[in-house]
Amino acid sequence: NAGVTQTPKFQVLKTGQSMTLQCAQDMNHEYMSWYRQDPGMGLRLIHYSVGAGITDQGEVPNGYNVSRSTTEDFPLRLLSAAPSQTSVYFCASSYYGVGNEQFFGPGTRLTVL
Amino acid sequence: AQKITQTQPGMFVQEKEAVTLDCTYDTSDQSYGLFWYKQPSSGEMIFLIYQGSYDEQNATEGRYSLNFQKARKSANLVISASQLGDSAMYFCATSNSGGSNYKLTFGKGTLLTVNP
Repeated sequence: NAGVTQTPKFQVLKTGQSMTLQCAQDMNHEYMSWYRQDPGMGLRLIHYSVGAGITDQGEVPNGYNVSRSTTEDFPLRLLSAAPSQTSVYFCASSYYGVGNEQFFGPGTRLTVL
Repeated sequence: AQKITQTQPGMFVQEKEAVTLDCTYDTSDQSYGLFWYKQPSSGEMIFLIYQGSYDEQNATEGRYSLNFQKARKSANLVISASQLGDSAMYFCATSNSGGSNYKLTFGKGTLLTVNP
């Protein structure tokens, strides 16, 4: 199993550009989430999904869009990039249930100029 | 809204000694879960241990144990016999979705340095 994969690993954007961060998992997990990590901060939840076709907002959803058309994929779209979105983005997935380990991807380091 | 507080920005410990990393939480939910993650300098997030709010016994996983004091709303991580490879950032997190882990609230973390 590849686990949770994220592409790209690094990305530089100009203000106003849009892009999609890709996330895929091959473990048939129901739950998937997107977090961002800023210096000196823990991870903050952007969006999450409890199954294909079901998504919801987390703590910091503004400027981001998600969809979940398949169990495997959970892309994160930046609609119009801003310098405040410079961050490391982590995708995570886990099985339905209580206390299960959440598997994290390796992260995408995004810089918005 | 939930909140996690980790009051120790940095901690130092000698190799082979035990260390406790503090975590307090604030939640109004009756059913919740507490998680600890490790983030080495390479950046990946590694799950360490889980404690459910209704679990009466403290969780243990190898050298990791969680000192859960519900009345005090604290969930401290204890690492026994520290190793150099334990040097990393440690995050405490909670979930209000009955212990399910797709909606975690993280603290700001504690940077642990293990000295030889």
